[in-house]
Amino acid sequence: DAGITQSPRHKVTETGTPVTLRCHQTENHRYMYWYRQDPGHGLRLIHYSYGVKDTDKGEVSDGYSVSRSKTEDFLLTLESATSSQTSVYFCAISEGQGPFSGANVLTFGAGSRLTVL
Amino acid sequence: SQQGEEDPQALSIQEGENATMNCSYKTSINNLQWYRQNSGRGLVHLILIRSNEREKHSGRLRVTLDTSKKSSSLLITASRAADTASYFCATGPGSTNKLIFGTGTLLAVQP
Repeated sequence: DAGITQSPRHKVTETGTPVTLRCHQTENHRYMYWYRQDPGHGLRLIHYSYGVKDTDKGEVSDGYSVSRSKTEDFLLTLESATSSQTSVYFCAISEGQGPFSGANVLTFGAGSRLTVL
Repeated sequence: SQQGEEDPQALSIQEGENATMNCSYKTSINNLQWYRQNSGRGLVHLILIRSNEREKHSGRLRVTLDTSKKSSSLLITASRAADTASYFCATGPGSTNKLIFGTGTLLAVQP
């Protein structure tokens, strides 16, 4: 997990409250990703960023927004948390291995466990 | 829907045996990757195979890719208890830098 830090690592919140998860990297990598992991679904991509202020949606982006105002930080926000967003959230970074799809090798953070009551 | 599906979902073997897990994907790819996840931890990259490669080795790992069948396999030889983990394949759809993961295979190696 060297070079990438997620915070908070654990959070319990109530339905309807806003939640922000932070991913911080010290590697100066261009790409940053947010995934959620749920039993039976593996990892699903929420959003990713390919540069400062450049983001794109993933497979399950509804209910989530992201921001990247500087290279080192990628924030994931749940504007109004719901119980279906109870999950383990992983951030990942990549320096980018070339223009071809699927070539980015990812380094993952330790995860943030979110429980929405 | 997810790009990759691993098979089997779970696999239990004895130490010293070989473990094979398979990944099928839906659309054409340029690269395919395999990752390992130990319980409670983030994923760790194992190996990347390009679409023009049929087989690749890394230590006790052997990965094959059959683009005509849209499938890949990961073979772990002479397994150890420390290989107990979940294994995921990942591909990048289209021309983006997204990386989409499959549902994973949970491997248990009994000592």
